[in-house]
This record gives sequence, C-alpha cells and structure tokens, in this order.
Amino acid sequence: DGGITQSPKYLFRKEGQNVTLSCEQNLNHDAMYWYRQDPGQGLRLIYYSQIVNDFQKGDIAEGYSVSREKKESFPLTVTSAQKNPTAFYLCASGLFAGELFFGEGSRLTVL
Amino acid sequence: SQQGEEDPQALSIQEGENATMNCSYKTSINNLQWYRQNSGRGLVHLILIRSNEREKHSGRLRVTLDTSKKSSSLLITASRAADTASYFCATDTGSGGYQKVTFGTGTKLQVIP
Repeated sequence: DGGITQSPKYLFRKEGQNVTLSCEQNLNHDAMYWYRQDPGQGLRLIYYSQIVNDFQKGDIAEGYSVSREKKESFPLTVTSAQKNPTAFYLCASGLFAGELFFGEGSRLTVL
Repeated sequence: SQQGEEDPQALSIQEGENATMNCSYKTSINNLQWYRQNSGRGLVHLILIRSNEREKHSGRLRVTLDTSKKSSSLLITASRAADTASYFCATDTGSGGYQKVTFGTGTKLQVIP
C-alpha cells in the first residue's frame, strides 16, 4: 500500500544523546517535511525538502539536522543542541503545490 | 510567531449544528489548505483552495478565502460526533520552485451527541 511511514512510534532519549527519526514514503512525492507539535499546539516547521540532496531550514531548525539522499527518505536527527526536544514529530510528503500526506508521528520523550 | 492563527481556539456544539472555524494569515499565499487531526494521530487533508479561488465545497465542507483580508473560513454542516477533532489551516508561501507549508494554531472542535 502507498503511504508514509514514521518510526519509531515512541522514543526515549537521555539528555545529551542524539536520536534519529525515520520517515519513508512510497508515494513518489518530491516534497518532504518535518514538523514539531507540542501538547495542545499547532505544527511548527523544522525542515523541508523539494528534491534529493537539497533541503531548507524551517522556522525552528536549531538543534535539528536532516538529509535527503534518496527521494523516498527524509530522516530527522534531534541533536543534543536541541534544549527542549520532548515533542510529537510529524513527517509529511506531497507533490508540488498540492496537499500533504502525513505519517502517524513519532513521540520523543527526554528522560 | 506562526503564519496562521485559527479562531476560535475551541468550539463545542451539538450534533446536527454547523461549525465555523476561521483562519487568518500574515503573508501572501499560493494556496491554503485545511487539515483534521484526531488526538495523537497524523493530520488528514480535507480541502485545498488556491489563491485565485474564493469558495470551494467538498461534501459537508465549505471553505472560503478572502485574500484581501488574508483570511479563510471552514464550515462543517450538519456536524456529527465523529467530526470531533482538531482542525488546522495551512498556507503555502513558497517561491522559486519551493513549496513551504506552515500551519496555524488550530481549533479544537467537540461535537456533543
């Protein structure tokens, strides 16, 4: 089935550790996005990418890094420089100027 | 601050009533989209309206766009308990071949059976 898959669904991290969240899509979409959602809040854009080997910073990129080596994959690394990483992370993909398709999210908790 | 802001932040209505949510944004857009999110889940796309369109319908949904006022509204008619969710507007403000989609703060809708 076509879709967008995020893993892991739940992740626990000790302070000072980097963690990588996976996002894979088989929809043949060029654009991919990462958003952060805090409890009861809207989504804030972390990074986005239109094509392979190219990506742009969103509104809250500090403390995060991404790569886009394949069209299907857009992993997000939450680095130790991110001071408040506990949040719900959502990945999305879409065709240019079209709707976005979302994964089910990854919930990161810092212990 | 976020590009879009929804109003009201929360809305509680009886089943069968209509629900109206408003979205205001700050900069010019290519299109505006509405999404729905059930608690703890990913977002689901509802409807997209382009900057040169003024109104769009999809089933029980009606969206309007006023680019002069930088605002949009989402109307859900004859609401059902299953419509209980958070609703977000999103704007595409990309240029130069890039699509940049940013979201508003959301409206939490409760439909009481």
